[in-house]
Amino acid sequence: DTEVTQTPKHLVMGMTNKKSLKCEQHMGHRAMYWYKQKAKKPPELMFVYSYEKLSINESVPSRFSPECPNSSLLNLHLHALQPEDSALYLCASSGTGKEGANVLTFGAGSRLTVL
Amino acid sequence: GQNIDQPTEMTATEGAIVQINCTYQTSGFNGLFWYQQHAGEAPTFLSYNVLDGLEEKGRFSSFLSRSKGYSYLLLKELQMKDSASYLCAVRDDKGYQKVTFGTGTKLQVIP
Repeated sequence: DTEVTQTPKHLVMGMTNKKSLKCEQHMGHRAMYWYKQKAKKPPELMFVYSYEKLSINESVPSRFSPECPNSSLLNLHLHALQPEDSALYLCASSGTGKEGANVLTFGAGSRLTVL
Repeated sequence: GQNIDQPTEMTATEGAIVQINCTYQTSGFNGLFWYQQHAGEAPTFLSYNVLDGLEEKGRFSSFLSRSKGYSYLLLKELQMKDSASYLCAVRDDKGYQKVTFGTGTKLQVIP
């Protein structure tokens, strides 16, 4: 299995809603990532988990709350979002060896619209 | 910090060769990736360079000069399906999972 699966593909939510994005991989990767991508812009790193522990938080507002329940799953909990948070949210995973490329494999993304 | 620059847009003709440049100024360096992203889809991996020189993979080649903070992606025998955005990304040498993407180059292949 060489895929990263993200659900839902599309999500529309109001500013007072609470929702979650989910990501799953079965490649045995121990690093998992959340990126945010606005239209016609490159992906921006939000969070990195390494061995189920948060290793990087790129000063993301607390209305985004990541969670890594186990080595295969990564969630992004959303609460009190703003319309400017509307974007494509990409999950990725990679190996963690000190040698090698540790290529990021991306999921298809969850397109979020905040009304 | 990380500063990774690419041309915004390029146009090339089907069957031709195109070179997409990437310059970077980063606080640390532990490898450079090139990804392809079609509109509305996820980025897909093309190439990886960590040492100076040229890496060739079929119609795609990637070059790296660490001393110059410079890389390019060379696409040969262009096909219409190569119309996409091409993203250069640099991995930090400290938090080695930190991979930062450049501004991206939108390539249009015309007949």
